[in-house]
Amino acid sequence: AQRVTQPEKLLSVFKGAPVELKCNYSYSGSPELFWYVQYSRQRLQLLLRHISRESIKGFTADLNKGETSFHLKKPFAQEEDSAMYYCALKRPSGSRLTFGEGTQLTVNP
Amino acid sequence: GAGVSQSPRYKVAKRGQDVALRCDPISGHVSLFWYQQALGQGPEFLTYFQNEAQLDKSGLPSDRFFAERPEGSVSTLKIQRTQQEDSAVYLCASSFLAGGTQETQYFGPGTRLLVL
Repeated sequence: AQRVTQPEKLLSVFKGAPVELKCNYSYSGSPELFWYVQYSRQRLQLLLRHISRESIKGFTADLNKGETSFHLKKPFAQEEDSAMYYCALKRPSGSRLTFGEGTQLTVNP
Repeated sequence: GAGVSQSPRYKVAKRGQDVALRCDPISGHVSLFWYQQALGQGPEFLTYFQNEAQLDKSGLPSDRFFAERPEGSVSTLKIQRTQQEDSAVYLCASSFLAGGTQETQYFGPGTRLLVL
């Protein structure tokens, strides 16, 4: 069975500082990894997926199969980045998402 | 265009009561998912439909939970004889594709269920 772990429930940084949200997964195959974000009073939405290798709102995430990690990074955090972030995994043959418990990021002025 | 909508947004039920939660997916979306999100936790998968076919219901926690999508559009999640542990936010998501690497799930605002 697959599992996603986000070790930090809360993360607080100052504006302009680098930020890294950790995500580790367990799955025997080659999964698809995603980061979803939920801003205050908004619905859950896709931020980025590993297969696209894209940068969204300055965030990037690299899939490290050796360490089974998919950490989310941004070099200079902004106040508007404050939100709940969820890492999620999908099996190649499936559709359902397995989510981590989430990390609440607060960017202080 | 309109996103995924869910109703009611909030529901308070007495223990033992039956409830029905509705999801209106984005028009034309083939796939529909239900997730349960307990307080302080990430969403957990309940069930998945492709059009009107329920292809995966392995996440339903008990036989008190039942979901349907009879015409391949609107879906209803029904919980019979609600228990306090059913208190959670119930999220619905839909996607245009049925799997694949380009599939994106679009989430609704959720229904917050409180069982007293």
